[in-house]
Amino acid sequence: QVQLVESGGGVVQPGRSLRLSCAASGFRFSSYGMHWVRQAPGKGLEWVAFIWYDGSNKYYADSVKGRFTVSRDNSKSTLYLQMNSLRAEDTAVYYCARDLQIYCSGSSCYPNDYWGQGTLVTVSS
Amino acid sequence: DIQMTQSPSSLSASVGDRVTITCRASQDISGFLAWYQQKPGRVPNLLIYATSILQSGVPSRFSGSASGTDFTLTISSLQPEDVATYYCQKYNSAPRTFGQGTKVEIK
Repeated sequence: QVQLVESGGGVVQPGRSLRLSCAASGFRFSSYGMHWVRQAPGKGLEWVAFIWYDGSNKYYADSVKGRFTVSRDNSKSTLYLQMNSLRAEDTAVYYCARDLQIYCSGSSCYPNDYWGQGTLVTVSS
Repeated sequence: DIQMTQSPSSLSASVGDRVTITCRASQDISGFLAWYQQKPGRVPNLLIYATSILQSGVPSRFSGSASGTDFTLTISSLQPEDVATYYCQKYNSAPRTFGQGTKVEIK
């Protein structure tokens, strides 16, 4: 069965960096676009980033552009989110999520059918 | 960027009631609209995509429709297990904006 398992969250000081990982299993990871979505405590969902199935194109929310970088290693079936220059407002649960269908070749094609359990990032001094 | 305005922010209804939630896009999104359900302490779950296509395994009491840039999620007969927050999301292009969410409770 499809599984997405995030890791790498924790408490970090403002201005510092953190890298999240999302280990995928149960499907052909290299065929699916993947997303990061976050949810601040008690708040709604916010889309963060999207990476094509082959890693060749990436898209970001304005709120993280220039600070966050999404990447993937298809040989390891793993998605990453490198977060630099962290701010208090980046505090959230970060979810990785899979595209509903394979081979999206645009900035956005499909909704998300599988989500990980999330990893909490707390930015605080 | 296209804005998604969801209403109401919360509602309380009785078991068996018909419930409707609306999401208005600020521009045409060509039907690329999804609805998610997030139960307390749980991960979001895809209910409907492409405005009206029911995701596999989702009960048939859930349905979606549209009129222009106004999209509607309908629960035909509210059940206790439907207590959750519901989000719309447009996915025609980045950024993939979510609505603000609608919290559904049982009266």
